[in-house]
Amino acid sequence: QVQLVQSGAEVKKPGSSVKVSCKASGDTFSSYPIVWVRQAPGQGLEWMGGIIPMFGTPNYAQDFQDRVTISADKSTSTGYLELNRLRPEDTAVYYCARAWTGQLLEWLYFDPWGQGTLVTVSS
Amino acid sequence: EIMLTQSPGTLSLSPGERATLSCRTSQSVRSSYLAWYQQKPGQAPRLLIYDASSRATGIPDRFSGSGSGTDFTLTISRLEPEDFAVYYCQQYADSPYSFGQGTKLEI
Repeated sequence: QVQLVQSGAEVKKPGSSVKVSCKASGDTFSSYPIVWVRQAPGQGLEWMGGIIPMFGTPNYAQDFQDRVTISADKSTSTGYLELNRLRPEDTAVYYCARAWTGQLLEWLYFDPWGQGTLVTVSS
Repeated sequence: EIMLTQSPGTLSLSPGERATLSCRTSQSVRSSYLAWYQQKPGQAPRLLIYDASSRATGIPDRFSGSGSGTDFTLTISRLEPEDFAVYYCQQYADSPYSFGQGTKLEI
């Protein structure tokens, strides 16, 4: 059973960048997509993008395409989310999760999830 | 982009009662690629149902999912105290993999 452990909370200034990590253990890391979902305070869930570490090509949601970089390091079984040009409205809990895949390698449901990383953007 | 609308926004019930949560999608979801997640305060979401009606590992059988096309339902047959939480539906038929806005199930 894979477990995902994320890096700790961050406080950032507007205009800066943040990089959140997600370390996987207990299962094959490279074969499954690692996805990122964020949740603003008191709000719902928003998919940001993901990557299959084996192939290395990320898939981004259009809303984040110009500010986000998703990457993975197979040697350490760790996924990364970097968000640039931070704004106060980027204050949220950022979750990583593993996506299951179908027979055609399509991305399916998300399970399990990391514990979440709170990113606070404030001057 | 496929939009998901959950109803009701808040559902007030008591332990032992039956809960019925709805999720409607703006387009038909191919292969019933729809999941339900439970989220408790301060915790990450937990997968309950995938492919519209399959229970995830370890999920009690009082949770069931149904539906196809654009109309999906999560039913909790007999509410336990630990079931009071927020529930989200999500489609994974097409990118972006969108979520509903959530239904809060409260006592």
